[in-house]
Amino acid sequence: AQRVTQPEKLLSVFKGAPVELKCNYSYSGSPELFWYVQYSRQRLQLLLRHISRESIKGFTADLNKGETSFHLKKPFAQEEDSAMYYCAPQRTGANSKLTFGKGITLSVRP
Amino acid sequence: NAGVTQTPKFQVLKTGQSMTLQCAQDMNHEYMSWYRQDPGMGLRLIHYSVGAGITDQGEVPNGYNVSRSTTEDFPLRLLSAAPSQTSVYFCASSPRTIQETQYFGPGTRLLVL
Repeated sequence: AQRVTQPEKLLSVFKGAPVELKCNYSYSGSPELFWYVQYSRQRLQLLLRHISRESIKGFTADLNKGETSFHLKKPFAQEEDSAMYYCAPQRTGANSKLTFGKGITLSVRP
Repeated sequence: NAGVTQTPKFQVLKTGQSMTLQCAQDMNHEYMSWYRQDPGMGLRLIHYSVGAGITDQGEVPNGYNVSRSTTEDFPLRLLSAAPSQTSVYFCASSPRTIQETQYFGPGTRLLVL
């Protein structure tokens, strides 16, 4: 069965510090890779998608096929980055069951 | 476009009561899904649909029913509510598949006493 692991539940950093939110997945191949974010009292929304290779709000995510990881990074955290972040690698093919990690809460202190 | 809408925003039920959580989207999306969000558990898939007339079970389907009579609507029914169903419920849609961006509704917060 495919698995998605976000090993940490909470990451607390000071403003301006670097951030790395980890995501590992268990299946091989070339999945579509997403990070979703949920700000306080808001709906989940797409933060970034690997295939677009964009940097959104200063965040980037690099695919490491050897380690099957898709960690989310930002060099200088801002207070407005405080939110819940979900990793969602989706295997290509006929499987239609979306899989999300358990999420990590990022808290950026002033 | 309103995107994905959900009603109600908040509901309190007594054990054994039934209710329907509504989800609608106006983007002509084929794929729709329901999740529950619980602390420490992340998002868990309840049911999903790849198009009108087609539904299937997700990770935690017990106690929930769905139907998809139109492309726009995907209601979630609780047949006999239990305290374990206290959660925040999210509906999502995408144009066709899970390999596309998912658009989420604002959520329904359900409390079962």
